[in-house]
Amino acid sequence: EDKVVQSPLSLVVHEGDTVTLNCSYEVTNFRSLLWYKQEKKAPTFLFMLTSSGIEKKSGRLSSILDKKELSSILNITATQTGDSAIYLCAVEADYGGSQGNLIFGKGTKLSVKP
Amino acid sequence: NAGVTQTPKFRILKIGQSMTLQCTQDMNHNYMYWYRQDPGMGLKLIYYSVGAGITDKGEVPNGYNVSRSTTEDFPLRLELAAPSQTSVYFCASSYSPIAGVTDTQYFGPGTRLTVL
Repeated sequence: EDKVVQSPLSLVVHEGDTVTLNCSYEVTNFRSLLWYKQEKKAPTFLFMLTSSGIEKKSGRLSSILDKKELSSILNITATQTGDSAIYLCAVEADYGGSQGNLIFGKGTKLSVKP
Repeated sequence: NAGVTQTPKFRILKIGQSMTLQCTQDMNHNYMYWYRQDPGMGLKLIYYSVGAGITDKGEVPNGYNVSRSTTEDFPLRLELAAPSQTSVYFCASSYSPIAGVTDTQYFGPGTRLTVL
């Protein structure tokens, strides 16, 4: 059965700290891995990582895909209170067709204290 | 707990047909959501519900309807299917102890819909 596991489930840090969130997966036909930030309702898309793009960076956020270890990390440097959110990892599995199915992890709840 | 379950897993519709995507959660979550995921795009919120009897529009509600008669079920209705509604649909649920504060969303396995 395909699954995505995130760790830790929750994390509390202080402003300025650097955090690393983990996502590991067991998926039969891997296509891509996505990171989302969930603050209120709809999660906000952060990164998509594929075999041809295993490292992405945007400002203080960066993510790396390790296809050998079947995992990804999301790094946030110099954290701010606005980074407080639930971070979701999802893996797209290829079941044929132009679009795969997403399997979501349970999320990591990050709290950044002033 | 089965978590969030969705049926069907796959469906092909002809233009103009109607169908209902079913979503059920057994975690007693008060919040439920419907999203669509298009290739290369992030999730887009269609409708959401903060409790039985209460629903509200999300970012892309046109062409869809929902109802929430029970805590467990949140069906999504397509009345006149159009090719633009070809997508993968995800249902999710979460628990909110007080208004405006919600915990992790738990997602169903998705329904892949093709409209030809």
